Amino acid sequence: AQRVTQPEKLLSVFKGAPVELKCNYSYSGSPELFWYVQYSRQRLQLLLRHISRESIKGFTADLNKGETSFHLKKPFAQEEDSAMYYCALRTDKLIFGTGTRLQVFP
Amino acid sequence: GAGVSQSPRYKVAKRGQDVALRCDPISGHVSLFWYQQALGQGPEFLTYFQNEAQLDKSGLPSDRFFAERPEGSVSTLKIQRTQQEDSAVYLCASSSSLGISYEQYFGPGTRLTVT
Repeated sequence: AQRVTQPEKLLSVFKGAPVELKCNYSYSGSPELFWYVQYSRQRLQLLLRHISRESIKGFTADLNKGETSFHLKKPFAQEEDSAMYYCALRTDKLIFGTGTRLQVFP
Repeated sequence: GAGVSQSPRYKVAKRGQDVALRCDPISGHVSLFWYQQALGQGPEFLTYFQNEAQLDKSGLPSDRFFAERPEGSVSTLKIQRTQQEDSAVYLCASSSSLGISYEQYFGPGTRLTVT
């Protein structure tokens, strides 16, 4: 079955702390994975994709095929990072996880 | 330029009523997607259009759900005889790419509440 799992509904950290939002996937093909973000009162938008191996707003994510994971990381969280984060897998459609709400306290 | 727009933003329907949700994609975007997002869940794929052709409707939960995009631009998602389980946010997204693009531009959504 094709599935994306985000085990944490809520992740709370203080400003300056490291952040890791977990994402695991289940897919028999060659995976393409993405992170989408939704800030308060804003639309869902693409944050980053594994193919580009880029860092956006200090976030990075590495695809680990052995562990079937695509965790999102940032070494020093900022208050403006507070948002809902969705991991997504592209198959013949985009399959989203249930999302993790990141709260960064001052 | 304007992004994807959806109307209405909020809709309350009595059980059994029909509703129509509208999506205006970004001008020139050939691909259009509809998603359903229940409370506490991620968006779930409903259907995909390439121009006016509905290429995938495998995610539509029942035959009460119908989507169209007759001129390859504006799309309407219609739900007949609404049920309480239809309560959700309905998201529309568009893309300039053919196929299932990862870079989809999302609208603000329509929150449907069925009472």
